[in-house]
Amino acid sequence: EDQVTQSPEALRLQEGESSSLNCSYTVSGLRGLFWYRQDPGKGPEFLFTLYSAGEEKEKERLKATLTKKESFLHITAPKPEDSATYLCAPSGGGADGLTFGKGTHLIIQP
Amino acid sequence: ETGVTQSPTHLIKTRGQQVTLRCSSQSGHNTVSWYQQALGQGPQFIFQYYREEENGRGNFPPRFSGLQFPNYSSELNVNALELDDSALYLCASSLDPNTEAFFGQGTRLTVV
Repeated sequence: EDQVTQSPEALRLQEGESSSLNCSYTVSGLRGLFWYRQDPGKGPEFLFTLYSAGEEKEKERLKATLTKKESFLHITAPKPEDSATYLCAPSGGGADGLTFGKGTHLIIQP
Repeated sequence: ETGVTQSPTHLIKTRGQQVTLRCSSQSGHNTVSWYQQALGQGPQFIFQYYREEENGRGNFPPRFSGLQFPNYSSELNVNALELDDSALYLCASSLDPNTEAFFGQGTRLTVV
């Protein structure tokens, strides 16, 4: 059974304080790992897709990396508008859908 | 280019009733997936439709059913509603089953 664990569950940072979010997964035959951002009461917003170990993707203050068992979302010099829940979702194949973790609730204080 | 839209945004139903939720996929997308998200949890996969056929299903009972239409819009139907069905229901569309999915804003269903 596919499993996803995200840590920490919640993280409070000061504006400008860099950190990393972790996503540990067990998926047979990983086809891709997806990162999303979700604001309260809204649908998840797509951030990145990673397909193979060693791959990295960047967007503004965010960088996602992938190993065979983990993915990290690094946030550099965050701003209050980066506050959200960040979800990771590995996929073993399109018809299986995405297996989401519970997410990391990130709060950036000004 | 319009994104994924869902209707209604909020809905209140009584236990035992039936509900239909609707989703318009992003232009050019032939794959639609539905997810249930309980408060404080990540979304859980219900099922996926690809070119009008169900091609994958999560661990949900048969009273959760769906349709995809020729224009690739979709419906989620839930029969015999239970209190535990209260959740945010999310629709996501993608170019195909293996590419990134783009989500709508969700339908908040409350069962009383």
